[in-house]
Amino acid sequence: DGGITQSPKYLFRKEGQNVTLSCEQNLNHDAMYWYRQDPGQGLRLIYYSQIVNDFQKGDIAEGYSVSREKKESFPLTVTSAQKNPTAFYLCASSIASGASQYFGPGTRLTVL
Amino acid sequence: KNEVEQSPQNLTAQEGEFITINCSYSVGISALHWLQQHPGGGIVSLFMLSSGKKKHGRLIATINIQEKHSSLHITASHPRDSAVYICAVGGGKTSYDKVIFGPGTSLSVIP
Repeated sequence: DGGITQSPKYLFRKEGQNVTLSCEQNLNHDAMYWYRQDPGQGLRLIYYSQIVNDFQKGDIAEGYSVSREKKESFPLTVTSAQKNPTAFYLCASSIASGASQYFGPGTRLTVL
Repeated sequence: KNEVEQSPQNLTAQEGEFITINCSYSVGISALHWLQQHPGGGIVSLFMLSSGKKKHGRLIATINIQEKHSSLHITASHPRDSAVYICAVGGGKTSYDKVIFGPGTSLSVIP
C-alpha cells in the first residue's frame, strides 16, 4: 500500500541533544513538507522540498534542518538551537506543489 | 487577525444531528482543503475544492469565493465523526502554493 510513514511515533530527548525525525513516502510524490503542530494552533510549515536535492525554509525554520537526497525520504533534524522543540511533527507529501497533501501519522517529540 | 479562521472552536453534538463547521479566510487562494485529524494525530484529506460544492458520503463541503467562506457539513453525525476538522487554504500570490492552516474545530459526537 502507498503511503507516508514517520518514525518513531513517540520520541523523548534530553535538552541540548539533536534528534532526527524520519519521513518516508512511496507515493512517488515530488513535493514533501514538514509541519509543527502546537495545542490550539494551526499547522506551521517548517521546511518544504519541491524536488530532490532542493528544499526551502518555511515559516518557522530556525533551529531545524532537513535534507532531500532521495525522492522518497525527507528527514528533519531538530537541533539544540530550537528553543521550544516539544511538539507534534507532521510530514506530508504531494504530487506537486499546490496539490492535495497526504499526511503521515506524526511524531510526538518531548524534550525533557 | 489570522489569515484562516474557523468557527466554532469546539462543538459537541448528539448522534444524528446535522453539523456545520465554518471557515473564513482573508487571502487570495487557488484551492481550499478540509482535513480531519483523529485523536491519534493522523490527518486525512477530506476535500479539496476551488468552487461550488462537493459531497462524499455524509460529508458536504461548500465554498463561496466572493465571500471567502467555506462550510463543512456532516449529516446524520456519528460518534466516529469525533475529530478535529481543519480548514486550509492554498495558492495565491506567493512564491509557491503555500498552504495556510486554520486552528481547527474540535468535534465531539456523543451517543
